[in-house]
Amino acid sequence: AQTVTQSQPEMSVQEAETVTLSCTYDTSESDYYLFWYKQPPSRQMILVIRQEAYKQQNATENRFSVNFQKAAKSFSLKISDSQLGDAAMYFCAYRSAGSGGGADGLTFGKGTHLIIQP
Amino acid sequence: DGGITQSPKYLFRKEGQNVTLSCEQNLNHDAMYWYRQDPGQGLRLIYYSQIVNDFQKGDIAEGYSVSREKKESFPLTVTSAQKNPTAFYLCASSRYRDSSYEQYFGPGTRLTVT
Repeated sequence: AQTVTQSQPEMSVQEAETVTLSCTYDTSESDYYLFWYKQPPSRQMILVIRQEAYKQQNATENRFSVNFQKAAKSFSLKISDSQLGDAAMYFCAYRSAGSGGGADGLTFGKGTHLIIQP
Repeated sequence: DGGITQSPKYLFRKEGQNVTLSCEQNLNHDAMYWYRQDPGQGLRLIYYSQIVNDFQKGDIAEGYSVSREKKESFPLTVTSAQKNPTAFYLCASSRYRDSSYEQYFGPGTRLTVT
């Protein structure tokens, strides 16, 4: 079974600064997908960024980027130019590519609560 | 607008009663999922369904049951056998046959059992 670990229960950053959230995972599979989801106080889960394990290039979405280290099984999220609206819980998630098309569920970490200081 | 609907937003039940949580999607997605979220925890998979009339247990299926009679609907029943049913429940859906597609989540239902 796969496991996902987020070692930072809470992080705080000044508005406009950069912050990095850590995530490590354990798997014996070679083909999988990794995701970062954001959960604001409304509790709606919102996809932030996605990384395919077979791609060496790190994914980027505007101010959000990842540092994917497959050998180290590490998948950190960097948020640049932090904004007040970035305040939320952030969850790292793993999904097997799977032999049947991979419609299995996600395995989540416990989350990191990100606080943005004005 | 396409999306996932969960109703109600808040649900209260007495201990010993079964309760069914609704999840409907109009995204034409094949796969649907139920997750449970507890304070300080990530989401944990309860059940998932890849196609109509078929579903599989997730990591914490004990005390729960599901049905998938229609592509659009995936209701979750929390039975009296679930020892600690108070939690936030999230439904999600995704396209089948391609795990690169992300899961879209509904707004969730907060269930309180006393």
